[in-house]
Amino acid sequence: DAGITQSPRHKVTETGTPVTLRCHQTENHRYMYWYRQDPGHGLRLIHYSYGVKDTDKGEVSDGYSVSRSKTEDFLLTLESATSSQTSVYFCAIEREIADTQYFGPGTRLTVL
Amino acid sequence: GDSVTQMEGPVTLSEEACLTINCTYTATGYPSLFWYVQYPGEGLQLLLKATKADDKGSNKGFEATYRKETTSFHLEKGSVQVSDSAVYFCALTITGGGNKLTFGTGTQLKVEL
Repeated sequence: DAGITQSPRHKVTETGTPVTLRCHQTENHRYMYWYRQDPGHGLRLIHYSYGVKDTDKGEVSDGYSVSRSKTEDFLLTLESATSSQTSVYFCAIEREIADTQYFGPGTRLTVL
Repeated sequence: GDSVTQMEGPVTLSEEACLTINCTYTATGYPSLFWYVQYPGEGLQLLLKATKADDKGSNKGFEATYRKETTSFHLEKGSVQVSDSAVYFCALTITGGGNKLTFGTGTQLKVEL
């Protein structure tokens, strides 16, 4: 257990609405990541953070923004959700001493 | 760029059969290699890892050896159980590259009695 929670765990929303997903960690790790999982693609990196207010884009960042105002929370926002953003979203932290990422339980988002 | 290629699934085996899931990679630097497992309805769990050539990662009866000469990291288990049914992901990260993971597409394993 890496002390990662994600909320909500499930969400159904409509096209054009804003959506924010939250990732919370209890272990004070510096690096946090957001991935999306889609059939045939594995997991793809959306954004990541290397500290408070320090974030960078990943492979599939278009249509997403992130914020990290506290070490323990990393927020992923879909400013105007589209059906192509229907996916399962995973947050991860990196335990630096092990140079390894550990994943949260995921959020299943459906955009109608 | 960096990429990971896994064998297509699903792979269906009988209990106690031998398992091999192939994984090959291309990398621009010096990768660390990982296998993650995802049980139905759950998140990803780290299964094993290897950080340099010829290292062998092992956990829960699974093994994988980092083969630099063939750019491979195949997952093996000598005797699978029904409880091993899951999706297995091979992944890499480049040392010093912000530690971003690049994943394969996943291989579903089904083990039947």
